[in-house]
Amino acid sequence: KAGVTQTPRYLIKTRGQQVTLSCSPISGHRSVSWYQQTPGQGLQFLFEYFSETQRNKGNFPGRFSGRQFSNSRSEMNVSTLELGDSALYLCASSLEGRQGRGYTFGSGTRLTVV
Amino acid sequence: AQKVTQAQTEISVVEKEDVTLDCVYETRDTTYYLFWYKQPPSGELVFLIRRNSFDEQNEISGRYSWNFQKSTSSFNFTITASQVVDSAVYFCALRATRNTSGTYKYIFGTGTRLKVLA
Repeated sequence: KAGVTQTPRYLIKTRGQQVTLSCSPISGHRSVSWYQQTPGQGLQFLFEYFSETQRNKGNFPGRFSGRQFSNSRSEMNVSTLELGDSALYLCASSLEGRQGRGYTFGSGTRLTVV
Repeated sequence: AQKVTQAQTEISVVEKEDVTLDCVYETRDTTYYLFWYKQPPSGELVFLIRRNSFDEQNEISGRYSWNFQKSTSSFNFTITASQVVDSAVYFCALRATRNTSGTYKYIFGTGTRLKVLA
């Protein structure tokens, strides 16, 4: 059973650009969540999608957005990149996010903004 | 307010030593879930255990054991006879509270970096 797949693994962008990250959840998992991990702030929740609907959103500016497709794959977009957006972005999937089950995380996309 | 505190930023032990990672949480909810995840150098978080607030039984899985005490709001994780492969960052997480949109979200602690030296 394939795990959570995130692409690309590494990305370098310049300030002001935009970026799109992709996440393919485990087959059958309908809930996808995104997290930002930085040394200073730790793991911070970005948003959660379930059946193509955003169910929950963390405290991030509107530059951060996402969507989920009918096959449960999800994309995250960050516009007008800032240096502080450099982080490891982790995607996690679960069968049904409300049941308290553990997430399965992907290996993440490491974004560097220069 | 909900919060997860992992006061130990980094711990170093020698192989075969036992080590306990502390986790203290805050929540006003009576129903909640607690988790531990391991993040090896490769980056992905690996789910280790889930415990719901009504189950205070300690859990043992091989060299891993967890001690959940509601009286002290703690969910500590012990690795017995540590090995070099246990070196990783370990995160404790809390899932509680249906927010205004009717959903939940996880709150992670800041993690404890465990270094097991050969």
